[in-house]
Amino acid sequence: DQQVKQNSPSLSVQEGRISILNCDYTNSMFDYFLWYKKYPAEGPTFLISISSIKDKNEDGRFTVFLNKSAKHLSLHIVPSQPGDSAVYFCAARGNTDKLIFGTGTRLQVFP
Amino acid sequence: NAGVMQNPRHLVRRRGQEARLRCSPMKGHSHVYWYRQLPEEGLKFMVYLQKENIIDESGMPKERFSAEFPKEGPSILRIQQVVRGDSAAYFCASSPFFQRGYEQYFGPGTRLTVT
Repeated sequence: DQQVKQNSPSLSVQEGRISILNCDYTNSMFDYFLWYKKYPAEGPTFLISISSIKDKNEDGRFTVFLNKSAKHLSLHIVPSQPGDSAVYFCAARGNTDKLIFGTGTRLQVFP
Repeated sequence: NAGVMQNPRHLVRRRGQEARLRCSPMKGHSHVYWYRQLPEEGLKFMVYLQKENIIDESGMPKERFSAEFPKEGPSILRIQQVVRGDSAAYFCASSPFFQRGYEQYFGPGTRLTVT
């Protein structure tokens, strides 16, 4: 039962353009959402988060949007840079402290 | 402030042997989480521990797997009688008490290969 879904396994974007990564969830009890970035052979690195009481959170080039009615969140990266090329994981926190991860989207930013 | 430390980074075991994975949380962090990533999959929660306590082990396989976080020393994830299906990357994460669970900081992982 995949409670957090990232339906696009990969995304390719030109440098300087916007990258939009999407995530859907099924459990309305989730109260906090996070995005992590992962390079090969490394652990995930925290990027940005959003509480369920908000619909937007921004940090530099990264913005996360939350649509609770649609159970959908998205990560916007603008402008995209080659160093952003990595796998991005969406995660949700429910009524326990564990994080529930999506399967990831591999972003490639090309010159 | 050193990050989350995991060792070994790579571990090779033959079927039937034991694997011990160690995790030292960030300084001042009292909460440790273990996750497993199988090839081409996302991270799956295994267990959540505080010092000397297991808080949530709902993601742990019922047999052969155990975890501890003693008062002194690192957290240990122990896999007895490993099988090929245990081959995966095992990640440890930690968080401070006041940010319990909200932002978890991950270590570099231990890649277990069972031959």
